[in-house]
Amino acid sequence: EVQLVQSGAEVKKPGESLKISCKGSGYSFTTYWIGWVRQMPGKGLEWMGIIYPGDSDTRYSPSFQGQVTISADKSSSTAYLQWSSLKASDTAMYYCARRSYFDWHFDYWGQGTLVTVSS
Amino acid sequence: DIQMTQSPSTLSASVGDRVSITCRASQSISSWLAWYQQKPGKAPKLLIYKASSLESGVPSRFSGSGSGTEFTLTISSLQPDDFATYYCQQYKSDSRTTFGQGTKLEIK
Repeated sequence: EVQLVQSGAEVKKPGESLKISCKGSGYSFTTYWIGWVRQMPGKGLEWMGIIYPGDSDTRYSPSFQGQVTISADKSSSTAYLQWSSLKASDTAMYYCARRSYFDWHFDYWGQGTLVTVSS
Repeated sequence: DIQMTQSPSTLSASVGDRVSITCRASQSISSWLAWYQQKPGKAPKLLIYKASSLESGVPSRFSGSGSGTEFTLTISSLQPDDFATYYCQQYKSDSRTTFGQGTKLEIK
């Protein structure tokens, strides 16, 4: 069974750093792209970027380029999303999702990680 | 980037109704469109991909149609479990996918 399991909720202060994770199982982790999607409170879905764990090829939405870093560790089948300096406006739910092999929709999603940034 | 516009933003309907949600792209995306359902506090769930292909396990009352710039998600007979928010997603561009703003389907 394909599963994407994300790390737990985080509460951080502005200026702090953070790295959240998404562990894949039940499939070949290195042969599927993993994307990250932001959902701010009460708002819609925003695509942030995507990584191919096989060679760490990474693409970012222009809106998020330079604001976050996406990475992956093949040995642990885990993708990451990290911030070096959080802002209050980073408060949101973050989802990882697997991109289908033959088509480019997202076929499996993680359960989400809620990040709250508040002083 | 390709902009996706959904209509309506909110839809009120009753159990048993047939409803449709429209998604328009700012340029042609061929059939590179997916539909997702999201319930409060849950991750989105894939319903339809490539505009009209039903994801495995999704009830047949859901259907998708369209190509180019105009697409439709139709629910043939609303069930209580269908009240949720629906999003379209274009994925014509390898690394520039975008979502519609969402349509909230409410109980009338």
